[in-house]
Amino acid sequence: SAVISQKPSRDICQRGTSLTIQCQVDSQVTMMFWYRQQPGQSLTLIATANQGSEATYESGFVIDKFPISRPNLTFSTLTVSNMSPEDSSIYLCSGRTDEQFFGPGTRLTVL
Amino acid sequence: GQQLNQSPQSMFIQEGEDVSMNCTSSSIFNTWLWYKQDPGEGPVLLIALYKAGELTSNGRLTAQFGITRKDSFLNISASIPSDVGIYFCAGPRMDSSYKLIFGSGTRLLVRP
Repeated sequence: SAVISQKPSRDICQRGTSLTIQCQVDSQVTMMFWYRQQPGQSLTLIATANQGSEATYESGFVIDKFPISRPNLTFSTLTVSNMSPEDSSIYLCSGRTDEQFFGPGTRLTVL
Repeated sequence: GQQLNQSPQSMFIQEGEDVSMNCTSSSIFNTWLWYKQDPGEGPVLLIALYKAGELTSNGRLTAQFGITRKDSFLNISASIPSDVGIYFCAGPRMDSSYKLIFGSGTRLLVRP
């Protein structure tokens, strides 16, 4: 399957700031997703990143807090805006062809 | 709504032992997926099951798709230290089949 890389791998940020996470897939995928994994928890889908149009957000997640871009079939960004300590999580990028696969995640700590 | 319940929540086993974990739901699934997440990494697909009753192996791993389509189990034979990690079951959501719902995970710890 394709390989996903994410940048940064981890970051420590101050409350009130924003962080943009980049996701790069080494081949074209039909769909891209962003997940959040809070400490010790399972994966929760934030949104589906749509190429060239607005992302589709899941219940409880909004564009103002988690703006997402997907300019082409292999790249997407997720921004975590106006961060608070509750945003401390692992953020995972995922791609789908025949199967769904994941990037290594970005571990975010908000102080 | 759909939920996937995994058990046990965690297990601490001796190296060389066999391991069994399962995933149940009140809803019917047409596909069952088993992922493993190593510490500091994203989940990796281990086994995919597409048919009720299907039994599929991947090395020391064996998974079965329950006949009722409401459960699945994963067995690991002769566990080794690198089996440490979190195992998630997953399946397609009823409202959007290309989106996955994940179980709560089983954390496996192996005593050398």
